[in-house]
Amino acid sequence: KNEVEQSPQNLTAQEGEFITINCSYSVGISALHWLQQHPGGGIVSLFMLSSGKKKHGRLIATINIQEKHSSLHITASHPRDSAVYICAVRRYGGSQGNLIFGKGTKLSVKP
Amino acid sequence: DAEITQSPRHKITETGRQVTLACHQTWNHNNMFWYRQDLGHGLRLIHYSYGVQDTNKGEVSDGYSVSRSNTEDLPLTLESAASSQTSVYFCASSGAYTGELFFGEGSRLTVL
Repeated sequence: KNEVEQSPQNLTAQEGEFITINCSYSVGISALHWLQQHPGGGIVSLFMLSSGKKKHGRLIATINIQEKHSSLHITASHPRDSAVYICAVRRYGGSQGNLIFGKGTKLSVKP
Repeated sequence: DAEITQSPRHKITETGRQVTLACHQTWNHNNMFWYRQDLGHGLRLIHYSYGVQDTNKGEVSDGYSVSRSNTEDLPLTLESAASSQTSVYFCASSGAYTGELFFGEGSRLTVL
């Protein structure tokens, strides 16, 4: 069983819909990252969080440490949000950058 | 603006050849990392460095080496390329305190 599981693996939405991507992990962590990767492109860090909730524009990330679960929400989705979203965790006591990555959620937003 | 750049972006090489992928960052970050990304595996850590002259092995370090002679650069060397090393390679850096990662655009390596 993977230590970081994301769901769904693939997601298709209509423009304007509210989107939720989930990440569950089985290890104790000190931080969780949400990353975005556009087709053929590089990787951009969206959020790094260790508790609570963070918001940036239309994106919201939440984490529940007790339940070992995080969600990434996109409000008023747009075709430019189409990308792969990757969850990654740093084990408790682990070093920066030594992350366990999920396999990603591929999001496609149709106009 | 500060950035992190990788070169080459695409490379095709033959089995057994030595290959070096360059990574240069202008963030003045102490921490630098190399990952590979493969279908079905996601991203995996190859090597990392927390400062000049510091290097550490990651999860999939066999067949790879790195050196850190200055803050800006962390080149990744494949001593004798193998077909199993065909992959997309990403370099990343982070500040010592924030932990936020900044990624390069990736280098696609094909070993024939």
